[in-house]
Amino acid sequence: KAGVTQTPRYLIKTRGQQVTLSCSPISGHRSVSWYQQTPGQGLQFLFEYFSETQRNKGNFPGRFSGRQFSNSRSEMNVSTLELGDSALYLCASSLGSGTRNEQFFGPGTRLTVL
Amino acid sequence: AQSVTQLGSHVSVSEGALVLLRCNYSSSVPPYLFWYVQYPNQGLQLLLKYTSAATLVKGINGFEAEFKKSETSFHLTKPSAHMSDAAEYFCAVSEGIQGAQKLVFGQGTRLTINP
Repeated sequence: KAGVTQTPRYLIKTRGQQVTLSCSPISGHRSVSWYQQTPGQGLQFLFEYFSETQRNKGNFPGRFSGRQFSNSRSEMNVSTLELGDSALYLCASSLGSGTRNEQFFGPGTRLTVL
Repeated sequence: AQSVTQLGSHVSVSEGALVLLRCNYSSSVPPYLFWYVQYPNQGLQLLLKYTSAATLVKGINGFEAEFKKSETSFHLTKPSAHMSDAAEYFCAVSEGIQGAQKLVFGQGTRLTINP
């Protein structure tokens, strides 16, 4: 089975722009979660989607949004980019939603905001 | 809210020596705990998980972890370090409300292996 894929792998944007990141989960997985990783704040949860519904949201401003499609693929969008949004964005998928489920991570998208 | 503390942001051991990475959690309910490893420029790979079955959990690459409720700990060990074990390791607790889920991670421990 193919793993979690994320596109693009690298992205450079300037302040004020917006960006869309894409995630394709493992086949059959219905839950997709997004995390932000930075040297200062570590790994922080952004949101979780299950069956096209946002189930859980982390403590991020409204500039961060996401969605999930009927085939479980997910996108996250960041509008009005700030320098502090530079980070590795990781997507993870799991079979179902709920605390027992192990999450499988993609390689990440490294976003640099100039 | 649950939390995870990893003691030691950097750990250095010699090749062949015991690896011990410490993780303590705070949880008001029986926790589900995970250890992940991250190699440079890669995502996270699951090493092992505790989901309230056996307290000693065996994972991939010779790693294991022991859940100790009395100490609220879930330390990761490997009897003999290999150069390929050099990476960053994250302990995480799974938290969720009404069927939702999220992982709460520790700050990570960077493991260096000396030849």
